[in-house]
Amino acid sequence: QKEVEQDPGPLSVPEGAIVSLNCTYSNSAFQYFMWYRQYSRKGPELLMYTYSSGNKEDGRFTAQVDKSSKYISLFIRDSQPSDSATYLCAMRTPYNTDKLIFGTGTRLQVFP
Amino acid sequence: SAVISQKPSRDICQRGTSLTIQCQVDSQVTMMFWYRQQPGQSLTLIATANQGSEATYESGFVIDKFPISRPNLTFSTLTVSNMSPEDSSIYLCSVDDPRTGTNYGYTFGSGTRLTVV
Repeated sequence: QKEVEQDPGPLSVPEGAIVSLNCTYSNSAFQYFMWYRQYSRKGPELLMYTYSSGNKEDGRFTAQVDKSSKYISLFIRDSQPSDSATYLCAMRTPYNTDKLIFGTGTRLQVFP
Repeated sequence: SAVISQKPSRDICQRGTSLTIQCQVDSQVTMMFWYRQQPGQSLTLIATANQGSEATYESGFVIDKFPISRPNLTFSTLTVSNMSPEDSSIYLCSVDDPRTGTNYGYTFGSGTRLTVV
């Protein structure tokens, strides 16, 4: 079983839709959670980061962590064609701060 | 955030040869990381490079295959040696993101897309 599972998609939605991207994980020691956005032929770009459980909002983006279910989500409101990219979740434990564990990424396409 | 320049951006190489990938950062950073991104798979950490010490390799990656140099606080190289088609992948350099501190994520370069034929 992979430590982090993420549906690869692709997920195709119309402009203006609310997008929900999710990851599940198996290691209960993960405490730091991140979402990266990766455009085609570019490196991943840090989008959101949260510690432990709870929600964090930044503009149209909301990151949510449910540690009891080992489940994290990224919500995108009012999605735009410019949001079309691959979204990767990543996480790490408090004691192994060098190593991020990534999901495989979900490809999102927002059409006008 | 730090700006990373990674070269080359892509290359097509013959099997059995070696390719050295360069990573230049516009600010001094303590740790630099090399990742591999294969199609349909998650980013995998190859090794961590600290200036002035040997790189630390993850399970499944060895120094003979992926030698790394870290001559100063702004530069690192990763060499992919004796390449085979299985080494075809995207190789990414990353550093601690000063916006978030060491507990969170990294800034990544644009990557080197390597094809071995």
